[in-house]
Amino acid sequence: DTAVSQTPKYLVTQMGNDKSIKCEQNLGHDTMYWYKQDSKKFLKIMFSYNNKELIINETVPNRFSPKSPDKAHLNLHINSLELGDSAVYFCASSRRTSGGQETQYFGPGTRLLVL
Amino acid sequence: LAKTTQPISMDSYEGQEVNITCSHNNIATNDYITWYQQFPSQGPRFIIQGYKTKVTNEVASLFIPADRKSSTLSLPRVSLSDTAVYYCLVVNPGAGSYQLTFGKGTKLSVIP
Repeated sequence: DTAVSQTPKYLVTQMGNDKSIKCEQNLGHDTMYWYKQDSKKFLKIMFSYNNKELIINETVPNRFSPKSPDKAHLNLHINSLELGDSAVYFCASSRRTSGGQETQYFGPGTRLLVL
Repeated sequence: LAKTTQPISMDSYEGQEVNITCSHNNIATNDYITWYQQFPSQGPRFIIQGYKTKVTNEVASLFIPADRKSSTLSLPRVSLSDTAVYYCLVVNPGAGSYQLTFGKGTKLSVIP
């Protein structure tokens, strides 16, 4: 059983299109995230949701809109795709221990290529 | 957020012990240290975390000196499959933002 899954694994599309990436976790975690890893391999957080509520929204263009229908799902919708959006997008989930520490579990990534 | 500094890359032969040191001079009192591993074309994977002294699990050991301004990830007897990027992160559990800030990581190449 895959703990954190993402679909699709690969996404090739034209500039200006709208696309969505889906993420599901079966770990029972309360918090989910979206990260972007660019061509230079920098991994940067985009969004974080806790119990379906947005708690982090880094400086991400408003063309990116996360949607969390329930605690187990966090989807990412991207409008008007641009060349610079080409990257690998990782979903992750976590649960905090009583001591405040947490471990994040990452999905396999979605490789987005905008032409 | 405490900034971390670690070597960009390291090479090691199979069977050797590898130590990757991370500097985090402005670590705060409540911060803890966590390490992730990322294989090519995969998402990062948690390895180990700790607050002070030494932590050991089935994969690695983490050494944290008393001043906590640095930490060392120790991988015993590496194999080719340990070739990956290793990220050191400092996390504030009280931040409420559940935020992990990844640096550039250390690219470990294990040579046969």
